[in-house]
Amino acid sequence: DAGVIQSPRHEVTEMGQEVTLRCKPISGHNSLFWYRQTMMRGLELLIYFNNNVPIDDSGMPEDRFSAKMPNASFSTLKIQPSEPRDSAVYFCASSQAGTGVFEKLFFGSGTQLSVL
Amino acid sequence: AQTVTQSQPEMSVQEAETVTLSCTYDTSESNYYLFWYKQPPSRQMILVIRQEAYKQQNATENRFSVNFQKAAKSFSLKISDSQLGDTAMYFCACITSGTYKYIFGTGTRLKVLA
Repeated sequence: DAGVIQSPRHEVTEMGQEVTLRCKPISGHNSLFWYRQTMMRGLELLIYFNNNVPIDDSGMPEDRFSAKMPNASFSTLKIQPSEPRDSAVYFCASSQAGTGVFEKLFFGSGTQLSVL
Repeated sequence: AQTVTQSQPEMSVQEAETVTLSCTYDTSESNYYLFWYKQPPSRQMILVIRQEAYKQQNATENRFSVNFQKAAKSFSLKISDSQLGDTAMYFCACITSGTYKYIFGTGTRLKVLA
């Protein structure tokens, strides 16, 4: 398996522009997570999907952030409009939860987002 | 609420030596899992080792082993025969069985010196 695939690896954009980050989870995994990593706040959970359904989006910082998972093999995280404080590394991770037990997360390589 | 604390922001070790990274956690749950993740300069988070709280035996994975002290809520990572490729950020994490929220520590930056 190729693992969790994220694109793009780097994204540089100007304030006010729309940014879309993409993720392909590991085939067969039923859980998908979006995390944001910054020096100040560490790893923050933004949103969690189970079987393509958003279960917990309480970590999404503002209405400017939205996430979708139209099918089991694809998810997007969109920021519109982007702001400099959104600059961070965004990780997608997937897992196979068996009867509510999460044993390990598999992470993608992350997207380094820079908003100028 | 669960917390995970890594009190060593940075550490260094000579190649071939042994180093121990500390992690303490706080949870009121009895059934949980503990993890160490490695984040090398390539950025991808890689699982190093996992421990089930109900198991008394310490987990080992080749040169990596843990010292799990459940009563003290301590979960340290020992790296033996350190290699240059071990240079990375190391994150300790905890998850309660039946939940989906992994709680990560702030990380320890480890540098292996030649």
